[in-house]
Amino acid sequence: AQSVAQPEDQVNVAEGNPLTVKCTYSVSGNPYLFWYVQYPNRGLQFLLKYITGDNLVKGSYGFEAEFNKSQTSFHLKKPSALVSDSALYFCAVIRAGFQKLVFGTGTRLLVSP
Amino acid sequence: GAVVSQHPSWVICKSGTSVKIECRSLDFQATTMFWYRQFPKQSLMLMATSNEGSKATYEQGVEKDKFLINHASLTLSTLTVTSAHPEDSSFYICSARDYGTGALSYEQYFGPGTRLTVT
Repeated sequence: AQSVAQPEDQVNVAEGNPLTVKCTYSVSGNPYLFWYVQYPNRGLQFLLKYITGDNLVKGSYGFEAEFNKSQTSFHLKKPSALVSDSALYFCAVIRAGFQKLVFGTGTRLLVSP
Repeated sequence: GAVVSQHPSWVICKSGTSVKIECRSLDFQATTMFWYRQFPKQSLMLMATSNEGSKATYEQGVEKDKFLINHASLTLSTLTVTSAHPEDSSFYICSARDYGTGALSYEQYFGPGTRLTVT
């Protein structure tokens, strides 16, 4: 079975500081990993994905994530946070050859001015 | 980029009535669409997988007769909440896979969601 863990309900960071939102996964076979962001009362917006290739993935709005197979992690990072980055972030995994996307519980990012 | 729309964006209905939510892929063909439900401050729960021209596959615990899903074309899937009750109040989100470009990427494109309130 597939599962995703986002151990932090909320991450607080000051504007201009680097941010990390953690994600670990469990899946048999090759994982395909995604990060999505959700603003209040809105659907999910795609940030980035890891399918294969380079372990460091760069995505939208200056976000990046590093796939670490040995630690089964896919942490989301940004060198310098913006207040506008404040939102709910979801990590998700899909097993190669399957259709279902399994989401983590979400991490609320709060960037203070 | 791939765009998915949902209509309506919000709806209020009386208990016992039915409400239909539409999910459309605007610039791509989606042989598979997904319906999720999200409770306040919680993650997305997959309700069902909708394949064009065939019956939807429901997740365990989701009532098929209450949540009717139809995927009649490559760009439209509908979710009908039948005999709605206050406990059905939630945020419903659909997503779609673009098999034209998404078959190898497994990427899903999400709609903006529909807020359903049953009074």
